[in-house]
Amino acid sequence: AQSVTQLDSQVPVFEEAPVELRCNYSSSVSVYLFWYVQYPNQGLQLLLKYLSGSTLVKGINGFEAEFNKSQTSFHLRKPSVHISDTAEYFCAVSAGNFNKFYFGSGTKLNVKP
Amino acid sequence: EAQVTQNPRYLITVTGKKLTVTCSQNMNHEYMSWYRQDPGLGLRQIYYSMNVEVTDKGDVPEGYKVSRKEKRNFPLILESPSPNQTSLYFCATQPSSGSHREQYFGPGTRLTVT
Repeated sequence: AQSVTQLDSQVPVFEEAPVELRCNYSSSVSVYLFWYVQYPNQGLQLLLKYLSGSTLVKGINGFEAEFNKSQTSFHLRKPSVHISDTAEYFCAVSAGNFNKFYFGSGTKLNVKP
Repeated sequence: EAQVTQNPRYLITVTGKKLTVTCSQNMNHEYMSWYRQDPGLGLRQIYYSMNVEVTDKGDVPEGYKVSRKEKRNFPLILESPSPNQTSLYFCATQPSSGSHREQYFGPGTRLTVT
């Protein structure tokens, strides 16, 4: 089975500072990778995805992520965060038959003024 | 408006009393899936369906049943709920099992089993 590790359960950061949310996965086969965001009391919304091609993926709201196959990582970055980015972020992987999805435990981003 | 709806949104029940959580989508998506979200564990996939009458187990299927008799509906059935099934449940849909595009999530159903 695949697994996804999000190394930080909580990340506090000041507004306009850069942020990186870390994600590592385990898989011996090709993977598709995703980052989702969950705002309080809401469902999940896709931020970005890596299916193939360029390893640098740009998503909504100014976020981007880089697929690093050798390090099996897919870290999420934003150069300057806003208060409105306060949410929980989930990394997910799909592999094998690509019908199953595995999510990390989530990282709560708390942006302070 | 494209949407995934779940009912009920909140449910408190007792151990052993059968319940069904409904999921409906109006996007004509083939793929549908159920997840449970627990603190510190993220989302775990319970069951998924690639099309009508085609379902398969996810990572944590024990204690749950599903059916897919119509394309738009994918109910989650707990025949005999237990307290360890207290959780936040999400339904999600996707255009096709092979397209690997975005999953669209419902608003969630918070279930408490006492």
